[in-house]
Amino acid sequence: EVQLLESGGGLVQPGGSLRLSCAASGFTLSSYSMNWVRQAPGKGLEWVSYISISRSTIFYADSVKGRFTISRDNAKNSLYLQMNSLRDEDTAVYFCASRGVEPTFDFWGQGTLVTVSS
Amino acid sequence: EIVMTQSPATLSVSPGGRATLSCRASQSVSSNLAWYQQKPGQAPRLLIYGASNRAAGIPARFSGSGSGTEFTLTISSLQSEDFALYYCQQYNNWPPLTFGGGTKVEIK
Repeated sequence: EVQLLESGGGLVQPGGSLRLSCAASGFTLSSYSMNWVRQAPGKGLEWVSYISISRSTIFYADSVKGRFTISRDNAKNSLYLQMNSLRDEDTAVYFCASRGVEPTFDFWGQGTLVTVSS
Repeated sequence: EIVMTQSPATLSVSPGGRATLSCRASQSVSSNLAWYQQKPGQAPRLLIYGASNRAAGIPARFSGSGSGTEFTLTISSLQSEDFALYYCQQYNNWPPLTFGGGTKVEIK
């Protein structure tokens, strides 16, 4: 079965850090460009970050630029999101999602909840 | 940044009925538009890409149309499993990749 499984979410105080992971099974993550997308409670979808297969191209949403870092380990079939200087407004479910032939989000994990609160 | 606006926010449709969802872009995105379906507690699922191409495994009752700034997702005969949230997303001019605010399709 093809699966993307996010982990690393939890409760963190404002200003704190978390590292999210996205592990693939039955899916060769190393063959795809990848994204992080988030969804605040009861809100819509927001693209967060993109990384190409070779890591040569990386993009961030303005809302997280300078605070979040996307990375990947193709040998481990895994994607990561290092989140620093967290703010209340970063509270959301974070999904990893693969890019298809087009810059769409073709395959998604089930998400991991990050709650930033004192 | 291209702003995507979806309407209506909520659409009430009877089972077996037809649903027409709209998505408008703040500037032309050509045909570089996708649609997603999201059910409560689940991740979104890609339905349509390139404005009118169904993704793998998507039933033929889902169809997309439009280009430029105006797009439509039509569900021709609503099944119980189609009551959900729907989002449009542009990928013509990025970063950032941007989504609309969503349309909830509910049972009438």
